[in-house]
Amino acid sequence: DTAVSQTPKYLVTQMGNDKSIKCEQNLGHDTMYWYKQDSKKFLKIMFSYNNKELIINETVPNRFSPKSPDKAHLNLHINSLELGDSAVYFCASSIGTHPSNEQFFGPGTRLTVL
Amino acid sequence: DAKTTQPNSMESNEEEPVHLPCNHSTISGTDYIHWYRQLPSQGPEYVIHGLTSNVNNRMASLAIAEDRKSSTLILHRATLRDAAVYYCILRESKSNYQLIWGAGTKLIIKP
Repeated sequence: DTAVSQTPKYLVTQMGNDKSIKCEQNLGHDTMYWYKQDSKKFLKIMFSYNNKELIINETVPNRFSPKSPDKAHLNLHINSLELGDSAVYFCASSIGTHPSNEQFFGPGTRLTVL
Repeated sequence: DAKTTQPNSMESNEEEPVHLPCNHSTISGTDYIHWYRQLPSQGPEYVIHGLTSNVNNRMASLAIAEDRKSSTLILHRATLRDAAVYYCILRESKSNYQLIWGAGTKLIIKP
């Protein structure tokens, strides 16, 4: 059984389009995250939700909007896509926000903006 | 910015132990040391974490220096499947305990 799943795995789209990436975890975790890994392979936190409430919102353009319909899902909607948004996006979850809690990552969504 | 320093890459022979070093000289009393790894084309995977004492789990061991300013991840018997980028991450109270990622160490395993 997949613990953290993301759809789609690959997403190729034109500049200016709006797209969504979905994430689901079946671990019963309370906390979920979105990370971006750019072409230089650096991972950066974008957002974190705990019990459906936004707790971390890093310096991310407001074209990016996360939505958590329930604790098991955290979706990422991106408006007006730009070339610089091309990256691999990872969803993750953890049992809570304690610093000892490990994070479980999804397989990633490779977004290519043309 | 990441608060840890790791070598860019390391090589090891298959079935030998591997010691991956990490410096975190700015660590404070409530900061946790976490290790993750990322295999090619996969999401990161948790390896181990510690606060003050050495830790062992089924994947690896973590040796933490007495002053906590450095740590070493030990893979007891590396296999080809352990080839990955290994990230040492300081989860700091002042950063809300976020995972702040550096460049990591690329571990190459030679058969």
